[in-house]
Amino acid sequence: QVQLLQSGPEVKKPGASVRLSCKVSGLIFTSYGFIWVRQAPGQGLEWVGWISANNGDRHYAQKFQGRVTLTTDTSTSTVYMDLRSLTSDDTAVYYCARKPKDLATDYWGQGTLVTVSS
Amino acid sequence: DIQMTQSPSSLSASLGDRVTITCRASQDIANYVAWYQQKPGKPPKLLISVAAILQSGVPSRFSGSGSGTDFSLTISNLQPEDVATYYCQKFTGVPLTFGGGTKVEIK
Repeated sequence: QVQLLQSGPEVKKPGASVRLSCKVSGLIFTSYGFIWVRQAPGQGLEWVGWISANNGDRHYAQKFQGRVTLTTDTSTSTVYMDLRSLTSDDTAVYYCARKPKDLATDYWGQGTLVTVSS
Repeated sequence: DIQMTQSPSSLSASLGDRVTITCRASQDIANYVAWYQQKPGKPPKLLISVAAILQSGVPSRFSGSGSGTDFSLTISNLQPEDVATYYCQKFTGVPLTFGGGTKVEIK
C-alpha cells in the first residue's frame, strides 16, 4: 500500500535551517508529484510547494520563495524540504503528500512537528 | 492568485442534521476542487475529488457539488464521527490554495 513516512520532530533556533524528509513506498515514485503543506498550531492548512518526482519541476508558494527548496532522491524514493532562516512563525506541523497530475492530493504523511524557539 | 473562501468557519448541529459547507473561488476553476476532513492530530483525509466524486470508503452521507466558482460539501445525517475540520482545495494550477476550514461540532 502507498505510504509516506516522514522524519521525526525538530527543534530549531531562530535563524537556523531544517531539512525534512518524506520516504515514499508502494508506488512508482517518478510517476507522481508531491506537495508540502504546513499547519501552524490551531490554524488551517497552508500549501508550501510542489515538486515533480519525474523531472524535478517545482513551484513554491510566494511567501516561501527564496527560503524553501524541495528536492527528490529517486534512488531512495524520498522527497526533501529544506526551510531556511527559521522564525517562530515557522513553528508548525509539516505534511508531505502525493499529488497526482490533474488529480487531488490523496495520500499524506503522518506529519512532522517543527518547533522554532530560542 | 486564486483565493478559496470557505464558510462558515465553524458550525454546531444536532445528530442527524444535514450540514452544508460552502467554498467560493475567486476565479472559475471548473470542477477542480477537493474536500478534506481533518481530525485533531491527524493528516487530512481526502473525501471528495473533482467537486463531486466520493472517494472509496467514504460514507455516502457525504456529497459534493458545484462548478465554476461555487462549491459545497454536504453531510446528511450528521454522525458523531463527523466531528472534524473540513477544508476545500483547488487542485490544479499553482498555488494549490486551501480554504480556511470549517470546524463541525455536535450541538
